[in-house]
Amino acid sequence: DAKTTQPNSMESNEEEPVHLPCNHSTISGTDYIHWYRQLPSQGPEYVIHGLTSNVNNRMASLAIAEDRKSSTLILHRATLRDAAVYYCILRDVDAGNMLTFGGGTRLMVKP
Amino acid sequence: DTAVSQTPKYLVTQMGNDKSIKCEQNLGHDTMYWYKQDSKKFLKIMFSYNNKELIINETVPNRFSPKSPDKAHLNLHINSLELGDSAVYFCASSQLGGIGHAGGYTFGSGTRLTVV
Repeated sequence: DAKTTQPNSMESNEEEPVHLPCNHSTISGTDYIHWYRQLPSQGPEYVIHGLTSNVNNRMASLAIAEDRKSSTLILHRATLRDAAVYYCILRDVDAGNMLTFGGGTRLMVKP
Repeated sequence: DTAVSQTPKYLVTQMGNDKSIKCEQNLGHDTMYWYKQDSKKFLKIMFSYNNKELIINETVPNRFSPKSPDKAHLNLHINSLELGDSAVYFCASSQLGGIGHAGGYTFGSGTRLTVV
């Protein structure tokens, strides 16, 4: 899987929007952009994924740059429960099914 | 009803012992995985397994071996445990060839292994 770059940590205030950036300048045409998060003392959980178009689901929104070299995970109203490590992962399903995690961004949410 | 369940949740054992961690998934997925998360919190893939293929991360010592009695189970056996094996081990499953959420991984809640 191609490499992604994320900030080590970010802070947010509760009930404010949060924008988590991810750079993936070496993304290939068959790479999907996936986001997972890991809450304290839990296993990672799927958040959202996309290929080219922006995506929305009940958890978050994913904004993908036109050149696909970067993306942003958007939490519309952060809650204390959103404090977690967020991982941006490129996944080329043609190259196999392995999911390779990087360092992620630790999101801290202040009340 | 837990989708991916691991047992035990905590495991404390002495160096040199042999131990197993069990994993079961009820999602009907055809591929299962083991990940190791060390004290620095990096998640590293150890094994990927479906009924056709076992993929082993080359950095995993051969003291670690996955055993799959059936499609819904992938157990992790560890021989001659060492202090450095202390970590949290996560089991996961997915549907091979799926994309996005359909092919997304579902993780268990982890097993914290402490070797003393």
